[in-house]
Amino acid sequence: QVQLQESGPGLVKPSQTLSLTCTVSGGSISSGGYYWSWIRQHPGKGLEWIGYIYYSGSTYYNPSLKSRVTISVDTSKNQFSLKLSSVTAADTAVYYCARAREGATPSPYFDYWGQGTLVTVSS
Amino acid sequence: SYVLTQPPSVSVAPGKTARITCGGNNIGSKSVHWYQQKPGQAPVLVIYYDSDRPSGIPERFSGSNSGNTATLTISRVEAGDEADYYCQVWDSSSDPHVVFGGGTKLTVL
Repeated sequence: QVQLQESGPGLVKPSQTLSLTCTVSGGSISSGGYYWSWIRQHPGKGLEWIGYIYYSGSTYYNPSLKSRVTISVDTSKNQFSLKLSSVTAADTAVYYCARAREGATPSPYFDYWGQGTLVTVSS
Repeated sequence: SYVLTQPPSVSVAPGKTARITCGGNNIGSKSVHWYQQKPGQAPVLVIYYDSDRPSGIPERFSGSNSGNTATLTISRVEAGDEADYYCQVWDSSSDPHVVFGGGTKLTVL
């Protein structure tokens, strides 16, 4: 059973960089076939996809966040990470890591999720 | 950018059928995935590729997709089905990305 666990600071100051790590257990990131993803949810709001990375390092980002987002992978630690720069209060949200997969047609869906971690942006 | 439109809320009596729609321009040409999210929990995949159910998801959950509307149908609704439901597609435009609908709150009366 694949499990994902987010970790990182729960409080970030405005203008700084938000950094989170997702540790994957029960499966290897390097095994291929999956996209390792970050999704966030503003308080009381819907889901917003941030981006994802393939084990090889290929990335896809939400166009609305692309200029501030970097997702990286560390296969030796079976982890992947999110960096979101120049944060403001509008980046306060629960951040989820998730595994995406797709079938015969290119349409990824998220089959395993972490429990989520609340990140608050405040001075 | 591709937009998915869901009704903010749907109400249904126990034992009845709930239908949650997800509208989008020619969404029938895309594959739609659905998630259930209960308060304080991470989302759970309930339908993928329009109508496939992951293992462990009851047969009461089904999906369809045609034209400009995809639909998640929950038969014989139970109190435990009360949750937020989100649809999701892959927008394969010049800048490909994942799109979520705004979510629908299902209330079991």
